Amino acid sequence: EAGVAQSPRYKIIEKRQSVAFWCNPISGHATLYWYQQILGQGPKLLIQFQNNGVVDDSQLPKDRFSAERLKGVDSTLKIQPAKLEDSAVYLCASSPSGTEQFFGPGTRLTVL
Amino acid sequence: GEDVEQSLFLSVREGDSSVINCTYTDSSSTYLYWYKQEPGAGLQLLTYIFSNMDMKQDQRLTVLLNKKDKHLSLRIADTQTGDSAIYFCAESIPDSWGKLQFGAGTQVVVTP
Repeated sequence: EAGVAQSPRYKIIEKRQSVAFWCNPISGHATLYWYQQILGQGPKLLIQFQNNGVVDDSQLPKDRFSAERLKGVDSTLKIQPAKLEDSAVYLCASSPSGTEQFFGPGTRLTVL
Repeated sequence: GEDVEQSLFLSVREGDSSVINCTYTDSSSTYLYWYKQEPGAGLQLLTYIFSNMDMKQDQRLTVLLNKKDKHLSLRIADTQTGDSAIYFCAESIPDSWGKLQFGAGTQVVVTP
């Protein structure tokens, strides 16, 4: 069974630029999560989708971050404009039921 | 700061047992998890325990849960160099479709 796919794996941008990340969850998984992991910290949930609807975006900085999940499958996370403090690894995870979450390899973002 | 607390570092000799400890905050958490993260990789689900259990064993891994003290531990028997990684404890947030609260992680270094 293929795992959670993410791209790109690495991205370097300058502050105030825009960036987008893509996630393809495990087939059949209804729930999709985006996490932000700052160096030295545990992952922090940004947004959670159930099929193509948002169930929790309380920690998403909505002035600059946006996310969508089209047709309840793939998802994109966008940052516009980026700030220095957005430098982190962005992890996507999916779950069939909410009990077990399976993570992708992440996208490492560096904002200069 | 993190609601889930872990010690930051553990050094262990190859062949010995490792014990990683975690304290969590929400006594109504349904599931408690251990994830492993190797350098440059996403999080790998190692094991999880349902809150009405005291212990779960899975090959070299033993999870102990003390609900009274809100304490979770992961024991790795016969620790190998491949076990060197960061280990994250996480608790499920009740009624949240699987939202997880992670600790900051414990870096385990296995020496020959």
